Order: sequence, then C-alpha cells, then structure tokens
Amino acid sequence: ETGVTQTPRHLVMGMTNKKSLKCEQHLGHNAMYWYKQSAKKPLELMFVYSLEERVENNSVPSRFSPECPNSSHLFLHLHTLQPEDSALYLCASSHSQGEANVLTFGAGSRLTVL
Amino acid sequence: GQNIDQPTEMTATEGAIVQINCTYQTSGFNGLFWYQQHAGEAPTFLSYNVLDGLEEKGRFSSFLSRSKGYSYLLLKELQMKDSASYLCAVTDSNYQLIWGAGTKLIIKP
Repeated sequence: ETGVTQTPRHLVMGMTNKKSLKCEQHLGHNAMYWYKQSAKKPLELMFVYSLEERVENNSVPSRFSPECPNSSHLFLHLHTLQPEDSALYLCASSHSQGEANVLTFGAGSRLTVL
Repeated sequence: GQNIDQPTEMTATEGAIVQINCTYQTSGFNGLFWYQQHAGEAPTFLSYNVLDGLEEKGRFSSFLSRSKGYSYLLLKELQMKDSASYLCAVTDSNYQLIWGAGTKLIIKP
C-alpha cells in the first residue's frame, strides 16, 4: 500500500470511447500530479494541481481532461484517444508543489487504446 | 535543453555490487532523486542528494557531484528483489522535476 490508489489498474478502450482514471490519496498532501510513462522514455508530466487548483498543463492534448474535486481525489477524463496514447498513467502526490518534494506514486493505470 | 542520461539496462549477479550512473544537464539544480520501480508497481523514493558527497542508507548509497553534473546509485549485496528499474530525476531552478528514462537492473543468481 503506497498511500496513493489508482483505479482502474488496466483499461482497454476504443478511440471513440469516454473513460476516466481515478486517483485517491489520504496522506494529507496538497499537490497531485498526472504523469505518462511510456517504455524506455522519461516520465512526462501532464498536469499538476496544488490545493485543488491546476498550476501546470504541459501542452497536453485536449482529449485528456483533468479534474480535482478536492485535495484527496484526482481524475483524468479520456475522450477520443489515439493509439499512441497507450501508456502507463501514474498519479502522484506530495506535501506541496514548487519545492524539492518527495513524490508518492500510485501503481498506475495501464491504458491500451485500440 | 534539459537532459538526464542513465544506462538503459544493466545486469549484475546476486551478492555482488552494482553502480548505476546518472549524468544531467539542467537549468539550475535543487536536488537529485533516485526512485525504484518494480515491474507493474509504483515508483518508490530511494534517496535525495542536494549537497556533494555520499549518502548511505543500508545496502543503498547515492553519490552526487554538482560540479560534474553526475550522480550514482550504489547497490551492495545484491538480492533478487533488487531487480527493478531505477529512475534518476533532477529538480531544476524552477523546481521542475526532470526525469531520466530509467535503468532496468537485472539480477542473475
């Protein structure tokens, strides 16, 4: 148990589907992150939320839509994805954003787009 | 641009010692992290270096040389459970985390 829980762990979807990834943390952290992890590539930061406000959006296509309803929950809504979006999507949290904080990661949601 | 380099894959023998290197070129420096990620699992924090020198934590040690833009992770008395990917990440002057692609470590009996 890492303290950050992601569901679902595996997701297969067609390019026209709409699905959502969920992340939950009960560590009392104020910052939450979405990362994309592709084989043999560095982690790509997608979105950062600090105190429920989005503070970073790294030129992510609009087919990915984040939502942070409270400091414990983070969603990534997926719509009209492409096969190249297939990857492991990692959620992470930290005490705060903008410092050299240790990240606590979830185990990830493995997404396959057909 | 900002860049982190680490070997893609390394193989070592159970009981031996292995050193995983990481070199970086970043806009400023506010610390270097090492994370361990077992296949299908979450990356977990191993170490943080912000000053030059060696930090020891049990069988694992991490070294930093800021002037050389260089770090290594040293794993002693290797165990099969150490088979994992090891991720190097640097915090730049804006506290953005720059990640390496990770080193897959394979431990053989």
